[in-house]
Amino acid sequence: EDKVVQSPLSLVVHEGDTVTLNCSYEVTNFRSLLWYKQEKKAPTFLFMLTSSGIEKKSGRLSSILDKKELFSILNITATQTGDSAIYLCAVEEYAGNMLTFGGGTRLMVKP
Amino acid sequence: SQTIHQWPATLVQPVGSPLSLECTVEGTSNPNLYWYRQAAGRGLQLLFYSVGIGQISSEVPQNLSASRPQDRQFILSSKKLLLSDSGFYLCACRGQSPYGYTFGSGTRLTVV
Repeated sequence: EDKVVQSPLSLVVHEGDTVTLNCSYEVTNFRSLLWYKQEKKAPTFLFMLTSSGIEKKSGRLSSILDKKELFSILNITATQTGDSAIYLCAVEEYAGNMLTFGGGTRLMVKP
Repeated sequence: SQTIHQWPATLVQPVGSPLSLECTVEGTSNPNLYWYRQAAGRGLQLLFYSVGIGQISSEVPQNLSASRPQDRQFILSSKKLLLSDSGFYLCACRGQSPYGYTFGSGTRLTVV
């Protein structure tokens, strides 16, 4: 049974659009939720979220965590073609010392 | 800051041949180390993790094995590759990075 579920699976938008990517999780001893962007090789870190309701921002990207409803969203405003990538959500539990990844959302931004 | 070196970057191997992928870590000591596999366009599946030398935990039964002969070295192996072993393999480390995890640049394995 999937512990981390991302939606949508894929998304095609045009430059300038705003997108919202979703990540829901179900784990026992939640420690943190992480967002990564993956282009061709290794995932690159975007955000680490540990507390509910506190928005983290980096330029046009922002993310927030809801620990009561067990989900997180990643927003990208004014999308650019360089935002095209797979966006990965992962959850870390206190027990096990590992990240459990969702299936990813493939975003394509068209000019 | 911690850095992961992973090689080779790409590999094409025939079915039934052996495999050895290596990963070494710099900039941290006694890290937790991980091997993940990613099918095309999908998320990462954890294969093995290690919390110390000689300590290996497997998350899924499969044709692969892992070893940790030194504190900062993690090796993924197979005696006989299957077609289904094709994929993108990533080594990761959880050490002292404030962001939790660092990933290697990955190995794209194609079994033919």
